[in-house]
Amino acid sequence: EAQVTQNPRYLITVTGKKLTVTCSQNMNHEYMSWYRQDPGLGLRQIYYSMNVEVTDKGDVPEGYKVSRKEKRNFPLILESPSPNQTSLYFCASSLRTGGLPGAFFGQGTRLTVV
Amino acid sequence: LAKTTQPISMDSYEGQEVNITCSHNNIATNDYITWYQQFPSQGPRFIIQGYKTKVTNEVASLFIPADRKSSTLSLPRVSLSDTAVYYCLVGYMDTGRRALTFGSGTRLQVQP
Repeated sequence: EAQVTQNPRYLITVTGKKLTVTCSQNMNHEYMSWYRQDPGLGLRQIYYSMNVEVTDKGDVPEGYKVSRKEKRNFPLILESPSPNQTSLYFCASSLRTGGLPGAFFGQGTRLTVV
Repeated sequence: LAKTTQPISMDSYEGQEVNITCSHNNIATNDYITWYQQFPSQGPRFIIQGYKTKVTNEVASLFIPADRKSSTLSLPRVSLSDTAVYYCLVGYMDTGRRALTFGSGTRLQVQP
């Protein structure tokens, strides 16, 4: 089954404690991205990757890092989480052709930073 | 990047056709128009995509006028399970182009 898998689904952490949210896709997609969703602000893109070793900033990259060492994985790293990073996070992937901007989304990771 | 404008919310009844219009005045020549559906606490789900005129699939139709400055998502005979937030995106994915931004979406409430 084609899918994007995020882990964990839920996470509560403390300010400053480094964490990683994993994202994996099994469709051999070149394009992957991370979004955060906050009430009243919709979905905002954090980072995206057009292919292995190619990443770029989205609209809200501050406080986040990503890496793309393998095609299937695109982890999101919070080196020093802060309460304003409490949010619902989504990973997405798609083929890097035409206008398919992340046609497949993961189920989301709800992060709370206290 | 092309910005989009959608109604914040819409109400409908089961069995009715629902049309949600999105404005995208600064759409670029290569841009595609894509619609997503999102249920609470779930990731967005791709519904339909088009470039011009009309596109139809098993769940929806997408109407795009000749100037492409707007588009309309049409959901035929909605049911309660169509209650969700619908997002319109405009953009094109290619090397060197930044990827896309979601707007605030349209919250559709379907009543019995």
